Amino acid sequence: EPEVTQTPSHQVTQMGQEVILRCVPISNHLYFYWYRQILGQKVEFLVSFYNNEISEKSEIFDDQFSVERPDGSNFTLKIRSTKLEDSAMYFCASSTGVAYNEQFFGPGTRLTVL
Amino acid sequence: RKEVEQDPGPFNVPEGATVAFNCTYSNSASQSFFWYRQDCRKEPKLLMSVYSSGNEDGRFTAQLNRASQYISLLIRDSKLSDSATYLCVVHHTGGFKTIFGAGTRLFVKA
Repeated sequence: EPEVTQTPSHQVTQMGQEVILRCVPISNHLYFYWYRQILGQKVEFLVSFYNNEISEKSEIFDDQFSVERPDGSNFTLKIRSTKLEDSAMYFCASSTGVAYNEQFFGPGTRLTVL
Repeated sequence: RKEVEQDPGPFNVPEGATVAFNCTYSNSASQSFFWYRQDCRKEPKLLMSVYSSGNEDGRFTAQLNRASQYISLLIRDSKLSDSATYLCVVHHTGGFKTIFGAGTRLFVKA
C-alpha cells in the first residue's frame, strides 16, 4: 500500500540554525500539507500546497517557514532560523482531492531545538 | 471560541461499552468533516468521513448536524484496540485549510 514517507525521523538542531524536513507524498496525489504537533497539544495546520504554490497558510506559517516541491517526488518544509518553540512533531500529508478527501499522513519528523 | 471543540476526556470505559464523543465547530462555512484516530506519538489516520445523512462503519457511527454545527462519533462494543485519541477534523476554504480539535482520549480496559 502506498504511503507518505518523511525524513529524518528525528532532527536535533541548535537554536538559530536552518532545518529542512523532507517528505515524499503518495505518487498520484496532488495536494500536500504540513502540520505540527507540539508535545501534548493538538495538531495544527501550517500550510497547504497545490500546483506548485501555497494554497493556504496559517498564522503560524510566518516568514521563517517556506515550502518547496523541488522535483516530482519531494515536498520540503524549511525553517530558516529555528527557535526553541519550534520543537514539535511535524507531519506531512497528501491527498488526491481537497474538500472531501482523506489526507494520508506520514509518520512525522520530531524536531528538537536546543 | 475555538474553531473545533471536543470533549476533553479522558474516557475510561470497560470492554464492550458504548461510548459517544461530541464535537462542535464554529465556522458555518465549513465544508467537510472527519474523525481521525491518533495513537500515542503516531500520525493521525482517518477513521471515517462524516456526512449529513449519518454514516456507519461496523461498530462506528458518525453524525453531522449542520444547523447545530455539531458532529458526533459513537463506538459500540468497545475493544481494547480502540484505545486512542479521537480527533474531530474540519475542512474549510475549499478544503485547503484543515482544523483539528484537541482530541478526546479513550481508554478501554479489560
